[in-house]
Amino acid sequence: GAVVSQHPSRVICKSGTSVKIECRSLDFQATTMFWYRQFPKKSLMLMATSNEGSKATYEQGVEKDKFLINHASLTLSTLTVTSAHPEDSSFYICSGDFSYNEQFFGPGTRLTVL
Amino acid sequence: KQEVTQIPAALSVPEGENLVLNCSFTDSAIYNLQWFRQDPGKGLTSLLLIQSSQREQTSGRLNASLDKSSGRSTLYIAASQPGDSATYLCAVGGGADGLTFGKGTHLIIQP
Repeated sequence: GAVVSQHPSRVICKSGTSVKIECRSLDFQATTMFWYRQFPKKSLMLMATSNEGSKATYEQGVEKDKFLINHASLTLSTLTVTSAHPEDSSFYICSGDFSYNEQFFGPGTRLTVL
Repeated sequence: KQEVTQIPAALSVPEGENLVLNCSFTDSAIYNLQWFRQDPGKGLTSLLLIQSSQREQTSGRLNASLDKSSGRSTLYIAASQPGDSATYLCAVGGGADGLTFGKGTHLIIQP
């Protein structure tokens, strides 16, 4: 299957700082990339959908000014959590899709905001 | 809005048993259905993908079925092993809309 990487795998930061998470499709071009969030003992919730070269589409309840998504190329999407607060602590997972078919997931990034 | 329900929420069985995990969804207009496995603190491992036009998929000891008209899927695990212990997630959607996940079934296989 196709491979998606995420960096960093784990990050701890102070409240008020911004954190950038990278999602890369290593062996395919991802027409669309998705960002999900998983709170402890909860399921994954879709945050936003990004297409290369266009603005991301955010799910209801997700603040676009807080979670900045950039999909600069067909192999890279970034999620920046701006002015992070403890309630933003979560497990963030991205996925890439190149044919509206199977989504390939990255290994996830665990964010802890102190 | 699509809603995905997984039953049971938790299951503990002795090693060697065959078991069935259930998934139901409210909107049958889906591209596909995927079953994933998630180990504690880890990401997702894709187990099976069923396209909307398919009825079932098999991989080793795993078999997943899809009845799109009734909004149901089952994951059958044969001859369970302790290494199968994990949370199993069902997700539907695909296409341009992303996936909607169920809350998962937490499975424990007792040695």
